Amino acid sequence: NAGVTQTPKFQVLKTGQSMTLQCAQDMNHNSMYWYRQDPGMGLRLIYYSASEGTTDKGEVPNGYNVSRLNKREFSLRLESAAPSQTSVYFCASSEPGLAGMNEQFFGPGTRLTVL
Amino acid sequence: GDSVTQMEGPVTLSEEAFLTINCTYTATGYPSLFWYVQYPGEGLQLLLKATKADDKGSNKGFEATYRKETTSFHLEKGSVQVSDSAVYFCALRSVQGAQKLVFGQGTRLTINP
Repeated sequence: NAGVTQTPKFQVLKTGQSMTLQCAQDMNHNSMYWYRQDPGMGLRLIYYSASEGTTDKGEVPNGYNVSRLNKREFSLRLESAAPSQTSVYFCASSEPGLAGMNEQFFGPGTRLTVL
Repeated sequence: GDSVTQMEGPVTLSEEAFLTINCTYTATGYPSLFWYVQYPGEGLQLLLKATKADDKGSNKGFEATYRKETTSFHLEKGSVQVSDSAVYFCALRSVQGAQKLVFGQGTRLTINP
């Protein structure tokens, strides 16, 4: 099992460009998440998808859109990149279960720089 | 809203030293608590967890006890190794927050030989 995979690993964009970050999981999990990691701020939730066909905003959704393409894949799109979106982006997945028991599994991350 | 506060880093220790990384939280009810570890260049991995008061999570020599009275979940290890060098994140999952996790800011730990 590959677990959670993300592409690309690194990306440099110019202000105003668009791009899509891809995430896929092979654990048959229903829930998927996108986080951004900034120095001194931990991880902040951008969007999540509790199950296929549903998406919801997290703590910092502005400037992003998501698509839950199918049960395996959850993409994050930046329509018009801004320097404030320079960050490391992590995708995660989990399987809802007994309260508090569902571990989130993380991908290796995408390091994005917006110039 | 729910929040997690960790001790400021970075933390630098010598091999075989005792480690404590403090974590306190604010949440309603009884959240589940987690410690995640991030090794250089990798994503986060679950290190340990606890789901109710007085539970002790443990893994790889690390321990943390869910203290409801002090709203804390401090991470400890009796004898650290160079391979423990990483960033450690405390997190909670609220009973009201679906499956969402709230993370602390992370503590960078460096162990010198």
